[in-house]
Amino acid sequence: TQLLEQSPQFLSIQEGENLTVYCNSSSVFSSLQWYRQEPGEGPVLLVTVVTGGEVKKLKRLTFQFGDARKDSSLHITAAQPGDTGLYLCAGDSQGAQKLVFGQGTRLTINP
Amino acid sequence: GAVVSQHPSRVICKSGTSVKIECRSLDFQATTMFWYRQFPKQSLMLMATSNEGSKATYEQGVEKDKFLINHASLTLSTLTVTSAHPEDSSFYICSTRSGFEQYFGPGTRLTVT
Repeated sequence: TQLLEQSPQFLSIQEGENLTVYCNSSSVFSSLQWYRQEPGEGPVLLVTVVTGGEVKKLKRLTFQFGDARKDSSLHITAAQPGDTGLYLCAGDSQGAQKLVFGQGTRLTINP
Repeated sequence: GAVVSQHPSRVICKSGTSVKIECRSLDFQATTMFWYRQFPKQSLMLMATSNEGSKATYEQGVEKDKFLINHASLTLSTLTVTSAHPEDSSFYICSTRSGFEQYFGPGTRLTVT
C-alpha cells in the first residue's frame, strides 16, 4: 500500500511569515497533486506536478516535485489570512489511476 | 478544470433508512468517477471507483452491499447508503478524472440520527 506522509499536520503562524509543507513517500508517483479544502466544501485543485524536479509557482505558492518523484513540498511566501485552510497532497499511483492522499495540513494564518 | 456537482449538499436521515447521493460531471463525459469519505479533521479516504456500464470497484473494508454505486451514464454516478447507521455520518465527496488531474464535487454532509 502506498502511503504519503504529510507534515506538519497543524501549523499556526502570523501573517507575513513563510512556511513549507512536506509530503513524503517511499513510493514513486507518476504525478502529485496539491489541493486546498475549505470547511464543508470539496478539495480544489491547486497544481499538478509530473516531472521529477519540477517547480511550479502560483502567485505566492511554490510547489516542487522531488527528483525521484517520491516527495513534494509546498512553500508559501508572506502568508496571508486568506491562505487559511486544509492543504492536501495526493499522489497518483502508477498504473492504478487512484489518488493516495496525505493526512493533510491544517494551516491557520493569524492577522 | 472539470466541473462536478453533488446533490444533496446536506441530508439528515433516520437510522435504518437509505439515502441516495448524486454526482454529476457537468462539462465532460466521465467513464470513471470516484467516491470518497471524509471524517471530521481527517483526510479523504477512497471508498470505491465507479465505472460507467459496469460494476464498481470497492476498496478493502468497504461493504459493497451497504454502499451501492450505480454509474448508469457518462455524467451521473449515484451512491446509496443503505440501512444507514449513525457511524455512517460523514462527508461524502465524489470526483472525476481528466488526464492526471482529479476534480472534486462540493461534497454531501450526511447525518444519521
